[in-house]
Amino acid sequence: DADVTQTPRNRITKTGKRIMLECSQTKGHDRMYWYRQDPGLGLRLIYYSFDVKDINKGEISDGYSVSRQAQAKFSLSLESAIPNQTALYFCATSDAAERETQYFGPGTRLLVL
Amino acid sequence: GIQVEQSPPDLILQEGANSTLRCNFSDSVNNLQWFHQNPWGQLINLFYIPSGTKQNGRLSATTVATERYSLLYISSSQTTDSGVYFCAVGYSSASKIIFGSGTRLSIRP
Repeated sequence: DADVTQTPRNRITKTGKRIMLECSQTKGHDRMYWYRQDPGLGLRLIYYSFDVKDINKGEISDGYSVSRQAQAKFSLSLESAIPNQTALYFCATSDAAERETQYFGPGTRLLVL
Repeated sequence: GIQVEQSPPDLILQEGANSTLRCNFSDSVNNLQWFHQNPWGQLINLFYIPSGTKQNGRLSATTVATERYSLLYISSSQTTDSGVYFCAVGYSSASKIIFGSGTRLSIRP
């Protein structure tokens, strides 16, 4: 079984709809991240969390919110989706014991019409 | 903020060739990682290498932190090496990392 899972893997939604992307991990890592990737570009950090009570904004947090429900779960919400949020979204985990090596989930392809 | 530049942006090679990918960064870093994104979008961590040299099979990486660059070497390329290679650097105790825009490698049979 994969260590970092994301659901759904693909999603099509309409402008203005609220959607949630979910991430779960079995690695036991404290740190979790959400990134987005646009075609031809690298990944940009949306939000990150160092533990259940810690949430931090990344480079591009506007239009997004997150929830760290448990050590193993980190959800990303788009409160009112817009077309320029169409992208590939990745969840990742890391741990100080592994020198912050990042482990990525398989990604969620989101299309906002 | 810190800038991360990768070169070349695109590289097309025949199977069996060797390649060198470069990552330049604009400030001191305490974390540098190389990733491979395969054609299906999956991201795989290749190396954690804030300094020094590491090797893993046909791949090796060298980071010269004082000169602010890192190199990824791929020897005897195979078609399965195709994809995008990203360099990502971390520069504070906050554990955030910044990605470069990647090098797209295409290995032709």
